[in-house]
Amino acid sequence: EPEVTQTPSHQVTQMGQEVILRCVPISNHLYFYWYRQILGQKVEFLVSFYNNEISEKSEIFDDQFSVERPDGSNFTLKIRSTKLEDSAMYFCASSEERNSPLHFGNGTRLTVT
Amino acid sequence: SQKIEQNSEALNIQEGKTATLTCNYTNYSPAYLQWYRQDPGRGPVFLLLIRENEKEKRKERLKVTFDTTLKQSLFHITASQPADSATYLCAPESNNNDMRFGAGTRLTVKP
Repeated sequence: EPEVTQTPSHQVTQMGQEVILRCVPISNHLYFYWYRQILGQKVEFLVSFYNNEISEKSEIFDDQFSVERPDGSNFTLKIRSTKLEDSAMYFCASSEERNSPLHFGNGTRLTVT
Repeated sequence: SQKIEQNSEALNIQEGKTATLTCNYTNYSPAYLQWYRQDPGRGPVFLLLIRENEKEKRKERLKVTFDTTLKQSLFHITASQPADSATYLCAPESNNNDMRFGAGTRLTVKP
């Protein structure tokens, strides 16, 4: 069964650095998402992406964040000037249609020191 | 503002019993609602989708109900097993392309 893959599985970075989290969505899916889950807390929506542009973004997704689909297969989340509080699991997801079931990757654990 | 509330952070039951999890929502008018399972350190996995015109949906030992008047969905696991231990998340349909989840209920099934 096709799956969403995320790399790296764990990223450690120093405060103030930039990180890029990578995702390969399922190939025939058209909608892409990023979510964040701080340890012990809920899964929080960050951003959705469709037709090469941001569809919706949450209040968390400020100028520190950006997303890109640089080619036909990758979907990336860039976090600039990382802060300690950016430490979390970041999940990528994709779906065939808007609001259809999401398929999640297994996440990238970001640790900011 | 929109809210999704799931009953109790944690639910402990004995193997073989039925687990019932609740999802209440406000300021949503969802045409459907989804349930997901999340294991520690893993991404959520889709389980079931129920539409507003469906009173009940079943999949193996899982049953979901959806009451748009009460603004509530119930998720049942019958004949529960320790392997059912996980966090269960609900997600009402959004008018925008921003599927949001409840905080989840952590279910523990004891042998």
